[in-house]
Formats: sequence, structure tokens, C-alpha cells
Amino acid sequence: KAGVTQTPRYLIKTRGQQVTLSCSPISGHRSVSWYQQTPGQGLQFLFEYFSETQRNKGNFPGRFSGRQFSNSRSEMNVSTLELGDSALYLCASSLRGPRDTDTQYFGPGTRLTVL
Amino acid sequence: GNSVTQMEGPVTLSEEAFLTINCTYTATGYPSLFWYVQYPGEGLQLLLKATKADDKGSNKGFEATYRKETTSFHLEKGSVQVSDSAVYFCALLTSGTYKYIFGTGTRLKVLA
Repeated sequence: KAGVTQTPRYLIKTRGQQVTLSCSPISGHRSVSWYQQTPGQGLQFLFEYFSETQRNKGNFPGRFSGRQFSNSRSEMNVSTLELGDSALYLCASSLRGPRDTDTQYFGPGTRLTVL
Repeated sequence: GNSVTQMEGPVTLSEEAFLTINCTYTATGYPSLFWYVQYPGEGLQLLLKATKADDKGSNKGFEATYRKETTSFHLEKGSVQVSDSAVYFCALLTSGTYKYIFGTGTRLKVLA
């Protein structure tokens, strides 16, 4: 069974630009969660999608948004990039999501650098 | 609010040494507790978990016991290997918020 895949693996953008990251969950998984990982803050929860609906949200500004498609693939968008958005963005998928304490399977991440 | 505190790293040990990585938490209700491991260049992998007080999670020689009285979930391994070198994250999940809260991670380096 293929694992969680994330594309692209690396991105370099400049301040003010926008970026879209993609996550393909494990086949059959309906829940996709996104996290931001930085050296100072560790992993912080961005949002969770389940069956194309945002089910949960962390404390990030509205510049961070996401969506999920009918095949459970998910995208995350960051608009008006700031230097502080430089981070590793991790996606995790599970069968039913945190409400069932399902095991989360993480992708390798997309490393975003904002110059 | 809910939070997880892990010991600062890096932790450097010789092969076959005993490992303890401390983790304490603050949470309302009865959270589930997890340890994840991140190898270089990879995403996180679930190492072990415990869903109620006094439960012991174990995997690959690692163990952690859910201690409600001390709000702790310390990770232990009796004899580490070079291949255990990675970053270890403690995390909790509360039934109220359904959000995972992660600690800041502890880097472990095992020397041959």
C-alpha cells in the first residue's frame, strides 16, 4: 500500500506570493490533517478535513486555507507569504480521523522557504 | 489550555545505553498519549500510544506508561542502537477538541 505522498517536496517563494501544497492520503483514508513544523514552535495543527469538509481548525490566520477533493486528496494554500511561513508542512492521513484515535500516517513533508 | 512539555535535547548516548525522554502534559479530561519518531528527511511515524491511565504502550523495545497521577508519559528503552537516532515527539489528543498537541521534540543521537 502506498504511503502518504506530498508534492512538491521543496519550494522557494518570495514574500507576498502564494503557494499551494498537495497531499495524497493512503488509499481508503478519509481524514487528512495538516501541520506546520518549525524549529521554534515544533508541530502546530493547521486543520483537518474529512469527506471534503473542514472538521477542525487550529489557530492560524485566514491566509492559510485548505480543501479536500472527493478522492480525499487535499491541498493547502497560503496566500501573501511572510518570512515566518518558512517551515516544513506535514500532511497526515487516517481512516476516520482524531475522533476515533486512529493512527495518523505522515507524509515526508513539503519544505517551504520564503525569501 | 492543553500542552505537552518534553525535555530539551539533544540527548547523546552510547550504543546499548539506557534511554529516558521525559514528557509531561496538561490537559482537561482524559487524553490519549502518543510518542512519534521522525527520522532524518522523513515524516513522523507513530511509535506507541496509550489511551487510558496505567496503560503501557510498547513497540520496537520502547515503552511508555500513562501516569495520570504525575501527568507523565516518559519514553524508555533499555538498550539504544545507532539506528534509534532521530527526533522523538510526545503528543496528546483530547476527546473534547480532537486536536493533536505535540511537544517540541527531543533529538536523540546514539554513538557507536
